[in-house]
Amino acid sequence: KAGVTQTPRYLIKTRGQQVTLSCSPISGHRSVSWYQQTPGQGLQFLFEYFSETQRNKGNFPGRFSGRQFSNSRSEMNVSTLELGDSALYLCASSLANPGVGGELFFGEGSRLTVL
Amino acid sequence: KQEVTQIPAALSVPEGENLVLNCSFTDSAIYNLQWFRQDPGKGLTSLLLIQSSQREQTSGRLNASLDKSSGRSTLYIAASQPGDSATYLCARGGGADGLTFGKGTHLIIQP
Repeated sequence: KAGVTQTPRYLIKTRGQQVTLSCSPISGHRSVSWYQQTPGQGLQFLFEYFSETQRNKGNFPGRFSGRQFSNSRSEMNVSTLELGDSALYLCASSLANPGVGGELFFGEGSRLTVL
Repeated sequence: KQEVTQIPAALSVPEGENLVLNCSFTDSAIYNLQWFRQDPGKGLTSLLLIQSSQREQTSGRLNASLDKSSGRSTLYIAASQPGDSATYLCARGGGADGLTFGKGTHLIIQP
């Protein structure tokens, strides 16, 4: 059974550009969540999607957005990139509905570098 | 604001030792507690999930316990091996805020 797949794995952007990251969850998982990992802040929750609807959102500015498609695949977008957005962006999928407390399975991440 | 603290931040032990990693959290109203390992430059690998109604979970040489009343969880690794070297993260599941992670324990097992 394939795990969580994230693309691209690495990318370099310049300040002011935008970026879109993609995540394909484990087959049958309908809940997808996104996390940002930086050396200073550690892992921080961005948002969670279930059945194409954003169910929960972390404390990030509106430049960070996402969506989920009918096949449960998800994308996140960051507009007007800042140097501080350089991070490893991790996607996780779960079989459980949001708020139930299911086990999360993570992808390998997309490492974004903003110059 | 919920917080998760992991102690120690780093640990280096000889191969074969049994060791304990600690995790504490501030809000006892948790859904679950999940332990992960992360290898350098990689994503997170789920090790153990303890639901709020459970006291412990075991998988091979790993055993994790949960004490909601004291806000603590421990990960016990038996007979450590060099391949266990990684960063170990605990995460509190509380519902609307997703998982709240600790900063991790960087573990090195010396051959």
